[in-house]
Amino acid sequence: DGGITQSPKYLFRKEGQNVTLSCEQNLNHDAMYWYRQDPGQGLRLIYYSQIVNDFQKGDIAEGYSVSREKKESFPLTVTSAQKNPTAFYLCASSSKTDSNEKLFFGSGTQLSVL
Amino acid sequence: QKEVEQNSGPLSVPEGAIASLNCTYSDRVSQSFFWYRQYSGKSPELIMSIYSNGDKEDGRFTAQLNKASQYVSLLIRDSQPSDSATYLCAVNKGFQKLVFGTGTRLLVSP
Repeated sequence: DGGITQSPKYLFRKEGQNVTLSCEQNLNHDAMYWYRQDPGQGLRLIYYSQIVNDFQKGDIAEGYSVSREKKESFPLTVTSAQKNPTAFYLCASSSKTDSNEKLFFGSGTQLSVL
Repeated sequence: QKEVEQNSGPLSVPEGAIASLNCTYSDRVSQSFFWYRQYSGKSPELIMSIYSNGDKEDGRFTAQLNKASQYVSLLIRDSQPSDSATYLCAVNKGFQKLVFGTGTRLLVSP
C-alpha cells in the first residue's frame, strides 16, 4: 500500500541529546514537509523540500535539521538546541508543484523530554 | 493578526444537526483552501478542498469560499457522533507552503 511511514510512534529525548525522526514515502511525491503540532497551536512548518538534495526552512526551523538524500526519505533531527521539543511531529508529502497541492500525512511521532 | 484564524470551540451540536465551522485568512493572494479533520492523537486527513468562490459539496460536507470577505467555511449536514474531531482550516501561501489555523473542536452529542 502506498503511504507515508513515520517512526518511531513515540520517542523520548534526554537533556542535551539529538534525536532523529524518520519519514519515508512510497507515493513518488516530489515535495515533503515536517510540521510540529502543539496543543492549541495548530500545525507549524519546520522544514520542507521540493526536490532531492534541496530543502527550505519553514517558520520554526531553529533547533532542527533535515536532509533529503533520497526522494523517498526526509528525516528530521531535533538537536539539543531545541529547548522545548515536546510536541507531535507530522511528516507530509505532496505530488504537485503548483499551488493546488494536497498534503498527505504520516501517522506522527510524539516526542517527549525525559 | 494570525494568517489563518479559527474559533477553537468546542462547537457542540446534537446528532442530526448542521455543524458550521468558519475560518478567516489574511493574505488576499491565497488561491487554494483546505479542510482537514483530525481525531485526537491521529494525523490530519483531507476532507475538502476549494479553489473558487462559491460552494462545493461532497456528500454531507459543503465548503464555502468568499475571497472578497476572506473567509472559508465548512458545513456538515446530518452530524454524527463520529464527526466529533478537530477541524483544521489550511490556506496555501504559494511555494508549496500551507498555513494552518489552530483548529475548531467539534462535539456531536447523540
